[in-house]
Order: sequence, then C-alpha cells, then structure tokens
Amino acid sequence: SAVISQKPSRDICQRGTSLTIQCQVDSQVTMMFWYRQQPGQSLTLIATANQGSEATYESGFVIDKFPISRPNLTFSTLTVSNMSPEDSSIYLCSVIARGTDTQYFGPGTRLTVL
Amino acid sequence: SQQGEEDPQALSIQEGENATMNCSYKTSINNLQWYRQNSGRGLVHLILIRSNEREKHSGRLRVTLDTSKKSSSLLITASRAADTASYFCATDTPGGGNKLTFGTGTQLKVEL
Repeated sequence: SAVISQKPSRDICQRGTSLTIQCQVDSQVTMMFWYRQQPGQSLTLIATANQGSEATYESGFVIDKFPISRPNLTFSTLTVSNMSPEDSSIYLCSVIARGTDTQYFGPGTRLTVL
Repeated sequence: SQQGEEDPQALSIQEGENATMNCSYKTSINNLQWYRQNSGRGLVHLILIRSNEREKHSGRLRVTLDTSKKSSSLLITASRAADTASYFCATDTPGGGNKLTFGTGTQLKVEL
C-alpha cells in the first residue's frame, strides 16, 4: 500500500481567498486524483493529476477554479481559488501504485469557507 | 454523476451481529472497491473485487459481486463498536482511466 499525507489537514478561510492543498506519497505511483466530498455526501472526482502536464478535469470542474500541479511522481497540489461557502468540503487525493488497481486515499483536508 | 446506489442508507446493529450492505451500479465495470470512512476523515481501503471474481474474503469481511445484476454486497461478521463508520462502494469502468465513481454510502452504527 501507499502512505499518503495531505497538508493542511483542515483550514478555515475567508470568502474570496485561495487555498493550496498538498499531497505527498511515499513511493512512486502511476496515477493521482483529487476528489471532493461535500457535507453529508459521497465523493466526486474533480480531476486526474497528470505528471508534467495539465490535469484532466471532470464535467463541472474547471482549471481556473481548481488549478492542479503534479511536478513529479510523488507530489501534487490542488488549489481552491476565489472560495465561497459552497466550496466547504473535504478534499482528498488518491493514488494508484504501480502494478495494482487499488486506489488509496489520503487523510483529507477539511475546508470551511466563511 | 453517482453511478452507485447503496442500501440501506443507515444501519444500526448490536455488537456481535452481522452487518450487510448492498451496492448497485449501472454500467460495466473493471473493479469494485469497498472503503470505510470514520467521521468524515480519509477513506480506508477494505477490499477490491474484479469483474471476473464472485467472492472475496478478508478477515471478518466478505464481498460478493454479481455482474449480471450489477450489484455487490459487503458482509461484516461479528461486528464491533469500532466498525461504526460510513461504508462506500466505488467502481471503475473499462477505458475509464481508473477513475472511481462512488456509491451513496451506508452509515453503520454498532452499539454495545
């Protein structure tokens, strides 16, 4: 399995500001993803983080709002831009290790926007 | 969009009893995975079952998959208070790039 860390674990932010969430994995992985879990809901995929190129976004999510970087095989960032209270959610990164189909999740970042 | 529906939405049982949760999905799949989430924290991976498998076991967990009915079940035997959590199924599809689509989840409460 892969050990995944996320920073920050939680934050409270003001409307109109931006927050960058970091995801670090302890081993090289093939794929990295970012998900959002709104209060009381299930998880929804935001985008696939591609190494060295632009992320692939799902319907309803755009790069201007959720810019993503993945400079190498073990690290990715997600920025939530120009935040509003509707962005209050748990944001989770996930990875797939080489040679497996199992997707492992980080501990999540709980974001509250006032 | 959510592909999976899970039932029940909530389940309350006594410690020592078995808990069964069901997941249905809509399209062909490669794999189906079950996860546990405690109090809105990160997801813990429980088990992965491939589309050509019918049953898998891991400790007190038993997962079945019926591709003809597009459904899966998770059985937790001899439940403990520590099993109290939300449980989610998630599927990935052929050609889908390993992207997961999650079910709606079942909230399990195990009472002493």
